[in-house]
Amino acid sequence: AQKITQTQPGMFVQEKEAVTLDCTYDTSDQSYGLFWYKQPSSGEMIFLIYQGSYDEQNATEGRYSLNFQKARKSANLVISASQLGDSAMYFCAMREPGGADGLTFGKGTHLIIQP
Amino acid sequence: DTGVSQNPRHKITKRGQNVTFRCDPISEHNRLYWYRQTLGQGPEFLTYFQNEAQLEKSRLLSDRFSAERPKGSFSTLEIQRTEQGDSAMYLCASSLGGFPYGYTFGSGTRLTVV
Repeated sequence: AQKITQTQPGMFVQEKEAVTLDCTYDTSDQSYGLFWYKQPSSGEMIFLIYQGSYDEQNATEGRYSLNFQKARKSANLVISASQLGDSAMYFCAMREPGGADGLTFGKGTHLIIQP
Repeated sequence: DTGVSQNPRHKITKRGQNVTFRCDPISEHNRLYWYRQTLGQGPEFLTYFQNEAQLEKSRLLSDRFSAERPKGSFSTLEIQRTEQGDSAMYLCASSLGGFPYGYTFGSGTRLTVV
């Protein structure tokens, strides 16, 4: 069963607009971690933001924030004031403590920022 | 701290040949992970080490895949008797381990099997 679902294969957004990338997850564990990574065409996975399942506040890192809705098992990434350099693949991932310590990734969203 | 380094960046090999990739993690990170990413997909977890111990290898794709981290520093991933389906990006990551530490990824090795 797919544990991370990203329903937007691609998105086009105008520069300076805010964008929300969707992510839903499935786990029976109470303790887990959620990550967002950016992958530009160079291939490197760049860490953006982390949310722990027990964190009461939504995580924020600069222009990135995570809209965490635990009951809905949703962890959407919000990018404010998008820039041309934000164009990339974006992956949502989950780490489960009972698992093998690896990350389970979604299929990603290809974000293109238009001038 | 120069990040996670992977070599080579690109590898083209003929079907049936063996290939080996190297990963040098961030020096203070004791955990090292290997992932495979095929076109249009997210990375898929393969295996990980804590120091020199390989704690998870059941997700290696077949017995043609093996990984080592002999001194708890760099790691190698070997694919024997390569097949065209092995063509993918192979990513390495390292971590201090445990919540809330994240993972730092390298730039990957892109393998093409012809």
